[in-house]
Amino acid sequence: EPEVTQTPSHQVTQMGQEVILRCVPISNHLYFYWYRQILGQKVEFLVSFYNNEISEKSEIFDDQFSVERPDGSNFTLKIRSTKLEDSAMYFCASMGQAYEQYFGPGTRLTVT
Amino acid sequence: GEDVEQSLFLSVREGDSSVINCTYTDSSSTYLYWYKQEPGAGLQLLTYIFSNMDMKQDQRLTVLLNKKDKHLSLRIADTQTGDSAIYFCAVPMDSSYKLIFGSGTRLLVRP
Repeated sequence: EPEVTQTPSHQVTQMGQEVILRCVPISNHLYFYWYRQILGQKVEFLVSFYNNEISEKSEIFDDQFSVERPDGSNFTLKIRSTKLEDSAMYFCASMGQAYEQYFGPGTRLTVT
Repeated sequence: GEDVEQSLFLSVREGDSSVINCTYTDSSSTYLYWYKQEPGAGLQLLTYIFSNMDMKQDQRLTVLLNKKDKHLSLRIADTQTGDSAIYFCAVPMDSSYKLIFGSGTRLLVRP
């Protein structure tokens, strides 16, 4: 069964450093998303991506965040200068024509 | 904006039925979803219901939708210890189909 994969599973970084979180969506899906879940809080939408551009972004997704689909299979989230409050579980999701959104296992980001 | 509410905790005995409830505010959603999250794991799409249906059954899972009251429920029949997890209700919004999640209901199944 096709699945969304994410790497790394855990990333530890120092405040101010850049991180890139990687995702491989399901191959025939066209819609891609990043969400995050701060420990003990709700899952929050960050950004959606369709047809090689951002279709919607939340207030959280400020100038320190960017997304890319560099090679037609990977989908990345870059955080330019990490802050302590960026520590969270980051989930990638993809959706096909059937409106079923499948999530990856997540990357736990710890900013120290 | 959309708000999705769930009760935080439910404890049932193994073999009993579990009912997890969810209320939402935006009535324009075409599908409504249930996800399951086991400890340390990602979000597993469990089931979903199309908004013109009021019930969907899938093996031990039954989803009920009351559009008038904007109330969604997930019933798990014959609950097993392996069903212990956090269950999230999620409602899509806007043309991007971003999901708005409830806070999750932690289901504890006692032997």
